[in-house]
Amino acid sequence: RKEVEQDPGPFNVPEGATVAFNCTYSNSASQSFFWYRQDCRKEPKLLMSVYSSGNEDGRFTAQLNRASQYISLLIRDSKLSDSATYLCVVNRNTGGFKTIFGAGTRLFVKA
Amino acid sequence: NAGVTQTPKFRVLKTGQSMTLLCAQDMNHEYMYWYRQDPGMGLRLIHYSVGEGTTAKGEVPDGYNVSRLKKQNFLLGLESAAPSQTSVYFCASSVTGGLMLTGNTIYFGEGSWLTVV
Repeated sequence: RKEVEQDPGPFNVPEGATVAFNCTYSNSASQSFFWYRQDCRKEPKLLMSVYSSGNEDGRFTAQLNRASQYISLLIRDSKLSDSATYLCVVNRNTGGFKTIFGAGTRLFVKA
Repeated sequence: NAGVTQTPKFRVLKTGQSMTLLCAQDMNHEYMYWYRQDPGMGLRLIHYSVGEGTTAKGEVPDGYNVSRLKKQNFLLGLESAAPSQTSVYFCASSVTGGLMLTGNTIYFGEGSWLTVV
């Protein structure tokens, strides 16, 4: 079983839709959590960190559930430009840091 | 505003050939990394460096070697390329180790597409 798991999708949604992605992690020692965005044939870029109390950045909302060991990303009012792969990233510091990337969830937003 | 620069961007190798991927960063970061990305696998760490003159193995180091002779450069070498090394390779750097909520972000280069035939 992978340490960080994501539904690969693809998610196909119309413009203006709300879409949510979940990501589960298996190591309870995981300490910090992030969402990265990766456009087709491009490098990953940090989208947002995920705080314990949940956090929002414009149309994007991230949530963390430590008890169930998952994080989520909600995108409201989807735009064509949101089409990308969203990577769940987990960091832990047990015997040295370790950053684990999920395989990503693909999102296609259609006109 | 270069950030992390990788060369070459595309390369086709024959099995058994050797090559070196070059990575340079201009952000004065201590930590540098080499990842590979394969479909359905996510980014996997090959080797990393915590400072000039240091290197360490990551998750999938076999078949690769690295060197960090200068702080700004991190080289990834394939001594005898195999088809299993066909992948997209990303170099990355950060101020300190790993991602942190305090703002330590990992910055990636644009990627190098390598095909071994």
